[in-house]
Amino acid sequence: NAGVTQTPKFQVLKTGQSMTLQCAQDMNHNSMYWYRQDPGMGLRLIYYSASEGTTDKGEVPNGYNVSRLNKREFSLRLESAAPSQTSVYFCASSSGQGEGEAFFGQGTRLTVV
Amino acid sequence: GDSVTQMEGPVTLSEEAFLTINCTYTATGYPSLFWYVQYPGEGLQLLLKATKADDKGSNKGFEATYRKETTSFHLEKGSVQVSDSAVYFCALKNTGFQKLVFGTGTRLLVSP
Repeated sequence: NAGVTQTPKFQVLKTGQSMTLQCAQDMNHNSMYWYRQDPGMGLRLIYYSASEGTTDKGEVPNGYNVSRLNKREFSLRLESAAPSQTSVYFCASSSGQGEGEAFFGQGTRLTVV
Repeated sequence: GDSVTQMEGPVTLSEEAFLTINCTYTATGYPSLFWYVQYPGEGLQLLLKATKADDKGSNKGFEATYRKETTSFHLEKGSVQVSDSAVYFCALKNTGFQKLVFGTGTRLLVSP
């Protein structure tokens, strides 16, 4: 029962470094999402993919890129990390149909120094 | 655009106390409404949901009723336990859209 798997769980980057956060789901879901969670801000949508082959910007896309590699995998890339990107990142997936619930990964705690 | 407003936390209660966490929303159309819970160090998990007006979602002793007239979806539990300590998020998903919109979350602290 893997559900949604994110890697890594923790990461420290220096300003200007790049990295890719990986996400995979095994529930055959069409839709996948990347959120960031900051104190007092709740969860804010960075990017989402309604189906394989499509991606769309969310509320806070600047500084990020995404790739929907196949139906299972949806990665988030930081090309040049900034301290403002210090956050907890969550990947989620849902069937995308009707009122299907979203399933979340355990999160990646990223610190940019 | 669509939005969700939750009461500020933290909410601090003693065990067996009654819990209410307020949630109101702004949305066009007829959204589905959700409560998610996040335990320390974990991702979010669905607690309950309601898909149309006057529906009541319930799970683990928690309840919330979809009130279209007041655009609200308040979370209630009659008797909280220490194990209920977590952050609770209200969210909506509008018809035809893929995105979940979250509130800012409310931290609940329950002491013995």
